[in-house]
Amino acid sequence: DTAVSQTPKYLVTQMGNDKSIKCEQNLGHDTMYWYKQDSKKFLKIMFSYNNKELIINETVPNRFSPKSPDKAHLNLHINSLELGDSAVYFCASSHKLAYPPNEQFFGPGTRLTVL
Amino acid sequence: AQKITQTQPGMFVQEKEAVTLDCTYDTSDPSYGLFWYKQPSSGEMIFLIYQGSYDQQNATEGRYSLNFQKARKSANLVISASQLGDSAMYFCAMREGSTGNQFYFGTGTSLTVIP
Repeated sequence: DTAVSQTPKYLVTQMGNDKSIKCEQNLGHDTMYWYKQDSKKFLKIMFSYNNKELIINETVPNRFSPKSPDKAHLNLHINSLELGDSAVYFCASSHKLAYPPNEQFFGPGTRLTVL
Repeated sequence: AQKITQTQPGMFVQEKEAVTLDCTYDTSDPSYGLFWYKQPSSGEMIFLIYQGSYDQQNATEGRYSLNFQKARKSANLVISASQLGDSAMYFCAMREGSTGNQFYFGTGTSLTVIP
């Protein structure tokens, strides 16, 4: 049983295209996240949703738009893809309560390559 | 200021030896949690161990232990009896009680276990 799943696992596309990455969690968590991991392995938070409400929105180009249809899903849509968008994108989820701090569970990642 | 600092970009350890991966953190929140994640070359993020700010004892999980020194704001990961499969990137992370939803990640340490 997959806890946090992402599709697709690999995404290769041309510059200028629009693409989406889907994320689903079956852990009953109420908070979901998107991270971008660059080639140097640095993990950068992009967005976080709690019960379908956007609560973290880091400095990310507005070509990136998250959508949370329900608390188990958080999708990421990217418009007008650029070369610099090439990275691994991780979805994660956790319980809202910070204490006792609950860990994040990560999806397997989506490797996006923009040509 | 960086919330999480990992000063060792790369570490090497002989198989069966112990290794310590450093992590320091910065927070004024009295309630927080510290986490370590492992990312093998296959790419997934694996939760290893957690330490709460109010925990009196250092956390242990099998061969992993967390050397928690609150006054120094350090949360070093100790891996005992290293195995070849321990070769991976290791990330330290923190979640504050007051902000709750955001996890702060360090830049990671790449560990290589030498046979």
